[in-house]
Amino acid sequence: RKEVEQDPGPFNVPEGATVAFNCTYSNSASQSFFWYRQDCRKEPKLLMSVYSSGNEDGRFTAQLNRASQYISLLIRDSKLSDSATYLCVVRDNYGQNFVFGPGTRLSVLP
Amino acid sequence: DTEVTQTPKHLVMGMTNKKSLKCEQHMGHRAMYWYKQKAKKPPELMFVYSYEKLSINESVPSRFSPECPNSSLLNLHLHALQPEDSALYLCASSQERGFDEQFFGPGTRLTVL
Repeated sequence: RKEVEQDPGPFNVPEGATVAFNCTYSNSASQSFFWYRQDCRKEPKLLMSVYSSGNEDGRFTAQLNRASQYISLLIRDSKLSDSATYLCVVRDNYGQNFVFGPGTRLSVLP
Repeated sequence: DTEVTQTPKHLVMGMTNKKSLKCEQHMGHRAMYWYKQKAKKPPELMFVYSYEKLSINESVPSRFSPECPNSSLLNLHLHALQPEDSALYLCASSQERGFDEQFFGPGTRLTVL
């Protein structure tokens, strides 16, 4: 079993749609959780950190369920500019080990 | 300043060449990372430096040689690479301990002929 797994994608959605991405992790000692977005041929950029209480930033909502070892990202009112690969990243034990999921590709269509 | 810089942006080299990739950060981070990324794959960890000492080497071939001259700089020396080493090479930094995220540089796109 991979340490971090994500929906395989790709997701092709129309503008204005709501889309949800799922991520599961295997190490119960993991402490920090992040969603990064990566545009084609660019570096990953932090989209959101994910907190136990859940957090929202504009059209983006992230949720963490520690009991189920599950993280989600919800994007409302999708824009063309949201087209990217979304990477779920888990940081273990306060330390240096950041584990990446395989990524989910999103294409928002006009 | 939350920026990680990398040079060069692009590099084309032959299999007999020696070249170096450079990375710099001024966020006071004491952990620095090299990743290799192939198309449509997530970044793959190569090396981690913690307080300027190599702490993780993910069984990377010796033709890749990392170096951390000081707390702000990270180099990756390349020698006798193979065409399959062509990829995007990403540098990142983070706090050595804690809850915070990694910051990535823009990467060096390497082509080995």
